[in-house]
Amino acid sequence: SQTIHQWPATLVQPVGSPLSLECTVEGTSNPNLYWYRQAAGRGLQLLFYSVGIGQISSEVPQNLSASRPQDRQFILSSKKLLLSDSGFYLCAWTPRGPGRAGYTFGSGTRLTVV
Amino acid sequence: QKEVEQDPGPLSVPEGAIVSLNCTYSNSAFQYFMWYRQYSRKGPELLMYTYSSGNKEDGRFTAQVDKSSKYISLFIRDSQPSDSATYLCAMSSNAGNNRKLIWGLGTSLAVNP
Repeated sequence: SQTIHQWPATLVQPVGSPLSLECTVEGTSNPNLYWYRQAAGRGLQLLFYSVGIGQISSEVPQNLSASRPQDRQFILSSKKLLLSDSGFYLCAWTPRGPGRAGYTFGSGTRLTVV
Repeated sequence: QKEVEQDPGPLSVPEGAIVSLNCTYSNSAFQYFMWYRQYSRKGPELLMYTYSSGNKEDGRFTAQVDKSSKYISLFIRDSQPSDSATYLCAMSSNAGNNRKLIWGLGTSLAVNP
């Protein structure tokens, strides 16, 4: 069966520090991968999605970047965190190709920038 | 106007009650409709998935889509304290490769024993 792993679960980082969040998917090949941020009162905001290795689409201009170095690995990064980067970050995947549009989410990383 | 509107609640009901959760939307191109349940500090999990109009039932959960009114609903029968969570609606106009979803803000539900 397919599983998605996301770590760490919680993170407290000072303003100006770098960030690296990692997400891996097991049990499937060529998944579509997504990074979302969830902030109170703002719902789920799509940050990046990827349909293949090295293929990254950015939805919102911001202080973050994403990379997909391997088929089932998706990384969210920042060189210098801002206070506004605090939030709940979620990785998700869908199978490649048309069909069911439902996402499978990871357990999330709660990031607090202090 | 937001593409998807969802009352954030909170909604508080006694155990055993029938719960009705709703979303309205403005884009008539939406064809794929989903309900997700999210427990506190966890990622959302897919509850119900519906294509186009009609009803879909899964155990105590029923999803309804009325495309003519641009209105979707999730009904929970015999609600349990374990149903206490935030319920998010999501929808898409296509099931293509990127599958971007448009999300409601979520409704917080508390089922009291």
